[in-house]
Amino acid sequence: EVQLVESGGGLVQPGRSLRLSCAASGFSFDDYSMHWVRQAPGKGLEWVSGITWNSGSMGYADSVKGRFTISRDNAKNSLFLQMNSLRAEDTAFYYCAKGTSQYESSFQNCWGQGTLVTVSS
Amino acid sequence: EVVLTQSPATLSLSPGERATLSCRASQSVSSFLAWYQQKPGQAPRLLIYDASNRATGIPARFSGSGSGTDFTLTISSLEPEDFGVYYCQQRSNWPQTFGQGTKLEIK
Repeated sequence: EVQLVESGGGLVQPGRSLRLSCAASGFSFDDYSMHWVRQAPGKGLEWVSGITWNSGSMGYADSVKGRFTISRDNAKNSLFLQMNSLRAEDTAFYYCAKGTSQYESSFQNCWGQGTLVTVSS
Repeated sequence: EVVLTQSPATLSLSPGERATLSCRASQSVSSFLAWYQQKPGQAPRLLIYDASNRATGIPARFSGSGSGTDFTLTISSLEPEDFGVYYCQQRSNWPQTFGQGTKLEIK
């Protein structure tokens, strides 16, 4: 069974940093792209970032480009999101999701339960 | 960025009825469109990918159609567990984008 478990969320002040982690199990992690998708409370979904199976290519939404960095450790079946210069509008549940293929442009067919990031002073 | 517009915003139907949800793209996305279902307090679940392919484990009452700019998700006969919010998503143009969602509620 595929499992994705996010961690690292919490309350952080504007301008500060936070690092999210996602532990994956139940599938060949290094065969698939991985993604972060966020959802502000009561709002819709926003794709944030994706990374290819081998970290050869990463992509970001314009709203986070230059502030967020996605990475992965295939040896540890883990995905990460380094979030710097956080803003109030970054407040959301952050979901880790498995891609349907190796490429960062793929859809997402398995999702974690999300971790809440709250940016507030 | 491709804007996906979903309609209606809310759909009120009874179990057993047929549901038709629409997603329109601001420019062609070919067949690179997916549909997701989300229930309160849960993560989204992939239903349909590449416009018309059911994801693993998705019942046959869910079907997708369309290409280019106009897409439809059809649920042939609603079950009680089908109520929730449905999102479309495109991956044809960078960055991936989602529609704003259609809430399917019990009438």
